[in-house]
Amino acid sequence: DADVTQTPRNRITKTGKRIMLECSQTKGHDRMYWYRQDPGLGLRLIYYSFDVKDINKGEISDGYSVSRQAQAKFSLSLESAIPNQTALYFCATSTSGRLDTQYFGPGTRLTVL
Amino acid sequence: TQLLEQSPQFLSIQEGENLTVYCNSSSVFSSLQWYRQEPGEGPVLLVTVVTGGEVKKLKRLTFQFGDARKDSSLHITAAQPGDTGLYLCAGLPSGGYQKVTFGTGTKLQVIP
Repeated sequence: DADVTQTPRNRITKTGKRIMLECSQTKGHDRMYWYRQDPGLGLRLIYYSFDVKDINKGEISDGYSVSRQAQAKFSLSLESAIPNQTALYFCATSTSGRLDTQYFGPGTRLTVL
Repeated sequence: TQLLEQSPQFLSIQEGENLTVYCNSSSVFSSLQWYRQEPGEGPVLLVTVVTGGEVKKLKRLTFQFGDARKDSSLHITAAQPGDTGLYLCAGLPSGGYQKVTFGTGTKLQVIP
């Protein structure tokens, strides 16, 4: 079984709709992240959480919100989706420390029409 | 925001050729990582370099961290179709824990 899972894997929605992307992990890591990937822009950080009670904005948090329901679960919400939020979204986990390795889920492809 | 610029953005080469991908920043990083991402999957860590001037080899891949810890390169010898993918560098800033910054990515296609 995959260590980091994301649901759904693909989603098509319309402008103005509320969307939730979910992430679960079995690695036992405290730190979890949500990234967005667009062509030519690499991975950009949306939100990150170092433990259940800690939530931090990343570089592109506007239009997004998150919830850390448990150590293993981290959800990303788009309250009112817009077309320029069409992208590939990745959840990742990591341990703490200087040699911090990120373990990524398989991604969710979101299309906003 | 610390930026990591990768070059080239796209690279299409024949099997057996050599190539180098660059990752550059004006900021100093305490460590730098390289990830590879295949279509339909998330990035997977290849290597972490932590010392200025450090060179690490992973089979046909050679990774180097710049002396000033602001840049890195990835060299692939005798590229194979299995090397095809998106290569991402990622830097961990110095001066206390902060989040990792990812580079803009280099998309490599190796043609058989």
